[in-house]
Amino acid sequence: ILNVEQSPQSLHVQEGDSTNFTCSFPSSNFYALHWYRWETAKSPEALFVMTLNGDEKKKGRISATLNTKEGYSYLYIKGSQPEDSATYLCASRGGSNYKLTFGKGTLLTVNP
Amino acid sequence: DTGVSQDPRHKITKRGQNVTFRCDPISEHNRLYWYRQTLGQGPEFLTYFQNEAQLEKSRLLSDRFSAERPKGSFSTLEIQRTEQGDSAMYLCASSLGTGPLFFGSGTQLSVL
Repeated sequence: ILNVEQSPQSLHVQEGDSTNFTCSFPSSNFYALHWYRWETAKSPEALFVMTLNGDEKKKGRISATLNTKEGYSYLYIKGSQPEDSATYLCASRGGSNYKLTFGKGTLLTVNP
Repeated sequence: DTGVSQDPRHKITKRGQNVTFRCDPISEHNRLYWYRQTLGQGPEFLTYFQNEAQLEKSRLLSDRFSAERPKGSFSTLEIQRTEQGDSAMYLCASSLGTGPLFFGSGTQLSVL
């Protein structure tokens, strides 16, 4: 994998459903993996920065896991709420330590 | 407000004109990034500064694009002889070292 890829592209869920997204990134020369939430008319907001293989982070109902050997990360949202509706972006930083390469994002819509 | 600020929020220009955008990062952040985002795509890396030094520039950036960060404070992004393909959201972000990026609200450029 040369680029950062996210799936699905979009997702519609009902309030209360749990959901998860996938981010695939280059596993060679890996440095860090970031997750951001981008709500309409707002700026992207950092959720997690992960660096270690097997890392697992949690923030309220949102959690993320990281597998650097196979180059993927999962983002989980438990009990989705309408306010969780946003585009979720992941980004990978390689050994250059400078450039953060973003995926196209997953657009989540939570219906009340 | 101690966040990242960008000016202007919106810019409409005619093809062939020059435009300049400004970004004021969080004061203690040493790293500053410019990204461009078009509909359906993730943020696309343009350039990166560490303090006042421009350390990386995307090959996607043509000679018409230039960025500066005098004295390691605010940054400007100039586009000369704008083309319709330059229409996009231009995002600025700053970080302290390799930590999470803090984004501004962006400048939406429309080239007519």
